[in-house]
Amino acid sequence: EIVLTQSPGTLSLSPGERATLSCRASQSVDSYLAWYQQKPGQAPRLLIYDASNRATGIPARFSGSGSGTDFTLTISSLEPEDFAVYYCQQCTNWPLTFGGGTKVEIK
Amino acid sequence: EVQLLESGGDLVQAGGSLRLSCAASEFIFSNYAMAWVRQAPGKGLEWVSGITFSGGTTYYTDSVKGRFTISKDSSKNTLHLQMNSLRAEDTALYYCARGPPAGSSDWHFDYWGRGTLVTVSS
Repeated sequence: EIVLTQSPGTLSLSPGERATLSCRASQSVDSYLAWYQQKPGQAPRLLIYDASNRATGIPARFSGSGSGTDFTLTISSLEPEDFAVYYCQQCTNWPLTFGGGTKVEIK
Repeated sequence: EVQLLESGGDLVQAGGSLRLSCAASEFIFSNYAMAWVRQAPGKGLEWVSGITFSGGTTYYTDSVKGRFTISKDSSKNTLHLQMNSLRAEDTALYYCARGPPAGSSDWHFDYWGRGTLVTVSS
């Protein structure tokens, strides 16, 4: 099973600041890595797929990078609605796995 | 707009059974793989099971193998999860999610339902 380790566990930032979230895989997943955003009481929303492709309707301030085992989700300038929990997921090896999540909270 | 609507969640005793359903609309259901993902209270996301677009291949996480069965009824645009021998650790919100289209093996999930709550009492 591929283990995804997300860091940090919690990121405390102010609106307008840049957020950098990390996801590290225990073995290579090539570029088959997705990122999701989840707000309290809501279902997850796909942000990024194939490591760097924004999903439909996702603002340009969200970007993804990386390949192999190291991936990054960057939010260039945090908007109030971006404070949430973010999960990465590897999309190619069974069982599919998610990271433990990074909570982005208002400082 | 793609819609996924789960149902069937309930309070059940350990050892009992439940059948979850997910009604899909506004896309060609038979062309897409589907999956169930769960989230225990206050915890992260856990993939549970997946099924290919044709229904011909199914996948399960180890903890549910032999107890859960996923199926896809393309005539009714409905995904099911039959859950037997339920345990307290199966307590979670169960989401239905759309997987890759036919011909793709890239299992990211672009649409999700709102979930149905399964509570297993011990």
